[in-house]
Amino acid sequence: AQSVTQPDIHITVSEGASLELRCNYSYGATPYLFWYVQSPGQGLQLLLKYFSGDTLVQGIKGFEAEFKRSQSSFNLRKPSVHWSDAAEYFCAVDSNTGTASKLTFGTGTRLQVTL
Amino acid sequence: KAGVTQTPRYLIKTRGQQVTLSCSPISGHRSVSWYQQTPGQGLQFLFEYFSETQRNKGNFPGRFSGRQFSNSRSEMNVSTLELGDSALYLCASSTAGTGWAGELFFGEGSRLTVL
Repeated sequence: AQSVTQPDIHITVSEGASLELRCNYSYGATPYLFWYVQSPGQGLQLLLKYFSGDTLVQGIKGFEAEFKRSQSSFNLRKPSVHWSDAAEYFCAVDSNTGTASKLTFGTGTRLQVTL
Repeated sequence: KAGVTQTPRYLIKTRGQQVTLSCSPISGHRSVSWYQQTPGQGLQFLFEYFSETQRNKGNFPGRFSGRQFSNSRSEMNVSTLELGDSALYLCASSTAGTGWAGELFFGEGSRLTVL
């Protein structure tokens, strides 16, 4: 069965500092991978997705992620964090062959940004 | 274009009661998925509907059910509520089934509290 691991439950970074959120997946076939962000009291918003091709994926809000098959990882990065980036971030894998209709989520990483 | 709309946003029920949650997808989206979010279990897939048919189902007891109407609106029902059913229930819609999906669009959720 597919699974997603986000090893960091909580991360604190200073505004302007760089950010990397870790995500490891377990999936037998070529994975379809996603990063979502959830602000307090809100639903989830897609930051970026990887289906195939270039392993470095650009997303919204200045985020990017790199797919590394050898490490089964799909880490999320941002060069300079803004206070408004404080939220919870979820990595997910598509478990229904690309239709994105049944996602398996990691447990999330809560990002705190200090001024 | 209007986003995914979920009603009600908040509700309180007592054990043993039942509850019905509603979801209106983005216009043109025929796939609707439901997820349960709790602090302990995280985000878990409940089920997905497409063209009024349940296509996928997660590992939840039969007390959790859903349906989809011809206009793609969906409802989920939880009968005989238990304290552990307290959660944020998220609905998401996508174009899955009618073309390459790639993204789930989430509503803001319905927060259910069971007393």
